Amino acid sequence: QKEVEQDPGPLSVPEGAIVSLNCTYSNSAFQYFMWYRQYSRKGPELLMYTYSSGNKEDGRFTAQVDKSSKYISLFIRDSQPSDSATYLCAMSRPDSNYQLIWGAGTKLIIKP
Amino acid sequence: EAEVAQSPRYKITEKSQAVAFWCDPISGHATLYWYRQILGQGPELLVQFQDESVVDDSQLPKDRFSAERLKGVDSTLKIQPAELGDSAMYLCASSLADYATYNEQFFGPGTRLTVL
Repeated sequence: QKEVEQDPGPLSVPEGAIVSLNCTYSNSAFQYFMWYRQYSRKGPELLMYTYSSGNKEDGRFTAQVDKSSKYISLFIRDSQPSDSATYLCAMSRPDSNYQLIWGAGTKLIIKP
Repeated sequence: EAEVAQSPRYKITEKSQAVAFWCDPISGHATLYWYRQILGQGPELLVQFQDESVVDDSQLPKDRFSAERLKGVDSTLKIQPAELGDSAMYLCASSLADYATYNEQFFGPGTRLTVL
């Protein structure tokens, strides 16, 4: 079993829809939770990170962490075609040099 | 805006040949990472440097892969000989501070390797 599970999709939604992307994890020692966006043939770029449980909002993006359920989510409001990309969750813990453990990524397609 | 530079962007080689990838991190970033990303999967850490020292290379296939960061700035990842299963995107990332605390990792555009 992988430490971080993420549905690879693809997830296809119409423009303007609310998108929900999710990851589950098995190791309760994870403390930092990140969402990266990766466009085709490009490197990942950090969208948001959260420490421990709770919500964090940045514009149209909201990251949510539920440590009791070992479940994290990324919500995208008013989705745009430019949001079409692969979204990767990643997590780190202090006892492993804060190395990132990654999900497989979910491919998101926003249809105009 | 400062960026992580990688070259080449694309490399096609035949199996059993040697290949090398180069990475120049953001100026001042002490920590450098090399990742391998197979299509449809998340990145897998190959090696982590703190300045010129290797912090972790436990996932690096040392029989064929080598990495160096001689002056603690730019870095080279080499594969010799290349195998069909090495076809992947090779990503370099850097972060500002030491590995003992969380710091954002900034990624380069990657090198896409195809082994024929």
